Amino acid sequence: AQSVTQLDSHVSVSEGTPVLLRCNYSSSYSPSLFWYVQHPNKGLQLLLKYTSAATLVKGINGFEAEFKKSETSFHLTKPSAHMSDAAEYFCVVIPYNQGGKLIFGQGTELSVKP
Amino acid sequence: SAVISQKPSRDICQRGTSLTIQCQVDSQVTMMFWYRQQPGQSLTLIATANQGSEATYESGFVIDKFPISRPNLTFSTLTVSNMSPEDSSIYLCSVDLGPGAYNEQFFGPGTRLTVL
Repeated sequence: AQSVTQLDSHVSVSEGTPVLLRCNYSSSYSPSLFWYVQHPNKGLQLLLKYTSAATLVKGINGFEAEFKKSETSFHLTKPSAHMSDAAEYFCVVIPYNQGGKLIFGQGTELSVKP
Repeated sequence: SAVISQKPSRDICQRGTSLTIQCQVDSQVTMMFWYRQQPGQSLTLIATANQGSEATYESGFVIDKFPISRPNLTFSTLTVSNMSPEDSSIYLCSVDLGPGAYNEQFFGPGTRLTVL
C-alpha cells in the first residue's frame, strides 16, 4: 500500500532561517506527491506538486521540494522563514491507479519565532 | 482553480441529532470528495460523491452514518447521522478539476462540528 510519513510532528525555526519539513513515501510505482498548507482556521491550500516531470518542484511563497527516488523522499524547503509561514503542512500522495484518492501524512506544525 | 463554499461554517449539536453539510462549487466538476479531520489529526477520506449514483465509501465509513447526496455537478451534501462526541471534527469537501488521474484537489473552507 502507498503511504507517506512525515518525520516531524513539530518544527520550530527562527524568522529568516531555513525551513526543512521531511516527508518519506512508500510506493511500488512512481507516485504523484503534493504538499498542502493549512493556516489556522483556514482551508487547505496547495503549495506544490510532483507528477514525474522535473524532480525539483517550485511552489508558491518561496517553497520548493525535491523528489529523490533513491531515498523515497519529498522534503519541503524554504531558504528563509517568514512569520506568515507558521501553519500545518501536509505531505500527500495519490496511489497509483486510484486517481482522486488523496492519502495524507500526519502533518507537521511549523512555528516561526521572531 | 475553483471557488468552493461550505455551509454551515461551524455548528454545535446535541448527541443523537443529525447535521447536513452543504458544499457548493462555482463550476461543474466530475469528482467531489468528503474528508474528516479529527482534532489534532490529519485528513481522512470519507467518500467520493458520485453524481447520479451512490457514493463510494472508504473503509470504516458507512452510508447509514454518513449519507451523501450529489444531485448535480456543482453541489453535494454530507449528513452526519445520530451524532456522538466522537464525531466532533472538521468536515471538508474537495473537488478534482481534472483532466487526468493524478490531479491536485481543491478544498472548501471546512465545517467545524462540535457534538456535546
